[in-house]
Amino acid sequence: KNEVEQSPQNLTAQEGEFITINCSYSVGISALHWLQQHPGGGIVSLFMLSSGKKKHGRLIATINIQEKHSSLHITASHPRDSAVYICAAQKGGGADGLTFGKGTHLIIQP
Amino acid sequence: KAGVTQTPRYLIKTRGQQVTLSCSPISGHRSVSWYQQTPGQGLQFLFEYFSETQRNKGNFPGRFSGRQFSNSRSEMNVSTLELGDSALYLCASSFAQGATEAFFGQGTRLTVV
Repeated sequence: KNEVEQSPQNLTAQEGEFITINCSYSVGISALHWLQQHPGGGIVSLFMLSSGKKKHGRLIATINIQEKHSSLHITASHPRDSAVYICAAQKGGGADGLTFGKGTHLIIQP
Repeated sequence: KAGVTQTPRYLIKTRGQQVTLSCSPISGHRSVSWYQQTPGQGLQFLFEYFSETQRNKGNFPGRFSGRQFSNSRSEMNVSTLELGDSALYLCASSFAQGATEAFFGQGTRLTVV
């Protein structure tokens, strides 16, 4: 079993829909990252959180440390949101590299 | 402020050769991490450097190595290339070690033939 699990693997939705991507992890973490990767490879860091909730524009990320679960929400989705969304765990106790989920391939249709 | 710069963007090498990839972090950032991304395995951690010292290493063979210079620029080297080394290699820079935001470069796409 992977240390970081994401669901769903693939998601197709209509423009304007509310999107939720889930991430569960089985290790102790110091932080949880949400990343966005567009075709071509470049990765953009969306959020880094260790507790509670963060919001940036139409994106919201939440984390429940007790349940070892995080969610990424997109409100009023738009075709430009189409990308792969990846959650990554930064393990606690030291400067480990990130451990990644397999990613969620999101397509927003106009 | 310039972002993370990786060179070259694309590279084609032959089995058995070696390759060196470069990563220039954001000015002021002292931590550089390297990652390999393949369709089968996804993103995997290679190693992290901070202040010219390797602080952590992922589960990769010794053919994968790296270093960091005094200006925080980092290089990774892969010797005796195998077909399976074909991947997108990404580096990320952070201001410090641990739970700090990571800024990724565009990656170097390596193809081994």
